[in-house]
Amino acid sequence: DIQMTQSPSSVSASVGDRVTITCRASQDISNWVAWYQQKPGKAPNLLIFSASSLQTGVPSRFSGSGSGTNFTLTISSLQPEDFATYYCQQANSFPYTFGQGTKLEI
Amino acid sequence: QVQLVQSGAEVKKPGASVKVSCRASGYTFTTYGITWVRQAPGQGLEWMAWVSVSSENINYEEKFEGRLTLTTDTSTSTVFLDLRNLRSDDTAMYYCARGTAEYDYWGQGTLVTVSS
Repeated sequence: DIQMTQSPSSVSASVGDRVTITCRASQDISNWVAWYQQKPGKAPNLLIFSASSLQTGVPSRFSGSGSGTNFTLTISSLQPEDFATYYCQQANSFPYTFGQGTKLEI
Repeated sequence: QVQLVQSGAEVKKPGASVKVSCRASGYTFTTYGITWVRQAPGQGLEWMAWVSVSSENINYEEKFEGRLTLTTDTSTSTVFLDLRNLRSDDTAMYYCARGTAEYDYWGQGTLVTVSS
C-alpha cells in the first residue's frame, strides 16, 4: 500500500497567517492527490483534487501543488472558519490511502 | 441537489454483523462510484472500499477482505456496506462518499458501536 505522511501533525496559527501543510507519498503517485478539510462532527469536505485543482465553491485562498511524491496544501490568509483538520489522500492505486491528518489550531 | 443519505446508528455485539445503507439522489446514480471511509473516535480517515456502480467492480482494502461486502441496488440508488464478525475496533463513524479518485459529496455518517 502507498503510505501518505503528513507534516506537521498539528500547527498553531493566527487569522491572516499563511500556512503550508505537506504530504509525502511512499512512491511516485503523479498528481493523484486530493485534500480535504474536516470540522468536528462533520463529514470531510473536498478542497483540492488532482494535486492543484480547486473544487467548485472552495475559496481561492486554498491552493495545492506538487507531483511525484511531494505535495503541499497552502492557505494564503487564514480565516476563522479554516481552523479544522486537513487530510491528504492518494488516488494512484488501491487502496486509496489517507494521510494521518494535520490539526490547524489557533 | 446531490445527497447521500445513510441509515441510522447501530449498536452491535462482538461477532455480529452490521449493514449500513447509503441512498443517493440528485444525480445519475450509475455515473459515479461510491467509496466507503470510516473514522474511529478521535482518529483519522480510513479508506475501506469502492464500488463502480455501473460495472459493479469492487475494490476492498485488504485488511477487510473476507469480512466486508459492498452491494448495490440501482432501482433505489442505494449502496450497502455489510461488515461481519465485528470487533471492538470496528467502532467508528462510517461514511459513504461519491467518487472514485476524489470524493465531492459525503453522507452524514453512520455511527457503529461494537460493545458487549
